[in-house]
Amino acid sequence: DVKVTQSSRYLVKRTGEKVFLECVQDMDHENMFWYRQDPGLGLRLIYFSYDVKMKEKGDIPEGYSVSREKKERFSLILESASTNQTSMYLCASGRTQYFGPGTRLLVL
Amino acid sequence: GENVEQHPSTLSVQEGDSAVIKCTYSDSASNYFPWYKQELGKRPQLIIDIRSNVGEKKDQRIAVTLNKTAKHFSLHITETQPEDSAVYFCAASNGNQFYFGTGTSLTVIP
Repeated sequence: DVKVTQSSRYLVKRTGEKVFLECVQDMDHENMFWYRQDPGLGLRLIYFSYDVKMKEKGDIPEGYSVSREKKERFSLILESASTNQTSMYLCASGRTQYFGPGTRLLVL
Repeated sequence: GENVEQHPSTLSVQEGDSAVIKCTYSDSASNYFPWYKQELGKRPQLIIDIRSNVGEKKDQRIAVTLNKTAKHFSLHITETQPEDSAVYFCAASNGNQFYFGTGTSLTVIP
């Protein structure tokens, strides 16, 4: 059974803080993805990676960066959190998109 | 880039009736069309998918149809049950990125 885990379920941060969201998968998938989910907007792709140390911008990369140092781990970084980054963040891996449980981030 | 539109945004049906959710896509390079179900407070989960070389696929009460010429695909749920209540997302993929619809909130009324 595929397992995709995310480091936190809920996170509260202050404006300007640096935020790290981590995603780990145990199925040796090459492809990993970060989305944000907002009501009425569906899932929007922030970044994706199809190999270690590779990264590609998605539709809304501004304000975010990513790191993929190991195949099983894909990190999303908010360099300086802002209130408009309050959202649900979902990680996915694999060619059919196995999703993690999500991290609900609140930026105050 | 790809643009996926999904309708309706909300759908209420009586238990036992059928539900149909429709999506359109714009990029003819898209060749994989999955559907995800997201229950309240849970992660999206793949329920059925179809590739561009197939017109229809069925799995028990769930079926998906694809019309490549018209660039639209649909999810059909028959004999709906209360546990089918959830948000459903369609997606289109070209093998790299996935583009999601905005979701349909399905409510099955007992």
